[in-house]
Amino acid sequence: DVKVTQSSRYLVKRTGEKVFLECVQDMDHENMFWYRQDPGLGLRLIYFSYDVKMKEKGDIPEGYSVSREKKERFSLILESASTNQTSMYLCASTRGREKLFFGSGTQLSVL
Amino acid sequence: KQEVTQIPAALSVPEGENLVLNCSFTDSAIYNLQWFRQDPGKGLTSLLLIQSSQREQTSGRLNASLDKSSGRSTLYIAASQPGDSATYLCAVNEGTSYGKLTFGQGTILTVHP
Repeated sequence: DVKVTQSSRYLVKRTGEKVFLECVQDMDHENMFWYRQDPGLGLRLIYFSYDVKMKEKGDIPEGYSVSREKKERFSLILESASTNQTSMYLCASTRGREKLFFGSGTQLSVL
Repeated sequence: KQEVTQIPAALSVPEGENLVLNCSFTDSAIYNLQWFRQDPGKGLTSLLLIQSSQREQTSGRLNASLDKSSGRSTLYIAASQPGDSATYLCAVNEGTSYGKLTFGQGTILTVHP
């Protein structure tokens, strides 16, 4: 089975901290995504990557950056966390236009 | 810009009922459409993927149909069970090779015993 693993289920951080969210997939997928999910707003795409070191902005990239140094790993970075970045963060991966596989999510609280 | 709408936003049914969830999209130029299930506090699980050239896909008690020209898809759940309670989301792929999807807001389904 495809596995997409997010490093933390719950995280609590302080305003202004630098936050790293890690995602690893084991199916050699070239495409990886970071979404955030908020009540009433649904899933919104932050960034995606279609190859190592390649990245594209999604719909809401402000305040975030990403890193993809290895094919299996895609990191989301909050340079200076703010309270409005409190959210559920979901990582996903896919090959081409096939089924999208999600991790179990990281619930981030910024205090 | 593609917009995906799901109706109803929430649905509560007694166990054993057959039910239909609806999904509509504004731009019919899609490559495929996926239906996902999400349990509270968890990630999404892909249930069915329908290619634009297909009319339907089936998996167990689930059947998804696609009418691309009218911009609609339905997810049919037969003989519903309490374990089917979850949020169901549909998402369209507009054909980029990156697999980028546009999601609906989801339908919250509750099946009560």
